[in-house]
Amino acid sequence: ETGVTQSPTHLIKTRGQQVTLRCSSQSGHNTVSWYQQALGQGPQFIFQYYREEENGRGNFPPRFSGLQFPNYSSELNVNALELDDSALYLCASSPGFGEAEAFFGQGTRLTVV
Amino acid sequence: GIQVEQSPPDLILQEGANSTLRCNFSDSVNNLQWFHQNPWGQLINLFYIPSGTKQNGRLNATTVATERYSLLYISSSQTTDSGVYFCGYNFNKFYFGSGTKLNVKP
Repeated sequence: ETGVTQSPTHLIKTRGQQVTLRCSSQSGHNTVSWYQQALGQGPQFIFQYYREEENGRGNFPPRFSGLQFPNYSSELNVNALELDDSALYLCASSPGFGEAEAFFGQGTRLTVV
Repeated sequence: GIQVEQSPPDLILQEGANSTLRCNFSDSVNNLQWFHQNPWGQLINLFYIPSGTKQNGRLNATTVATERYSLLYISSSQTTDSGVYFCGYNFNKFYFGSGTKLNVKP
């Protein structure tokens, strides 16, 4: 068990709604990154936060936004949900910026109907 | 980023069989990791193995950094080993290989 926890584990939302997913990083880790994994695909990088600043972003529209708090936990917000947003959302924390071992949470499975 | 390729893409084994999964990377990687993604989606850390050999129960991993590859050896496979195995490395984001989907049949 990694110490990275995500909540909720599952949720169902309606198209057009907004959703917030949460991630508590492992103790001592100041970097959190988020990934979207569609069924049968590999994880796709959404963005990374390092010490409360966004540090990199993948090819996702602005309706995907995030936040990192002073305790290094993080939120992923998705506005105007679309059916294609249905996926497993994974968060990873690591003890530093750049090269460092990554630890993943158990994921949040989002279904948009 | 450095390209990460995994082989084979799919593998079907009978329970009790052994297998070797391979991860090739296009340039030097200093922090290679192996994960098992279980059927519920959780990515379980198997090894952090920049170089050398490590063992954990029935799993054994070897990284030869100078040759740009890593191997994951699973012995006496069990049905609970089924899932997708990813290798990759972390550099500002995690770069995943394409995965090996393993199905262990009883």
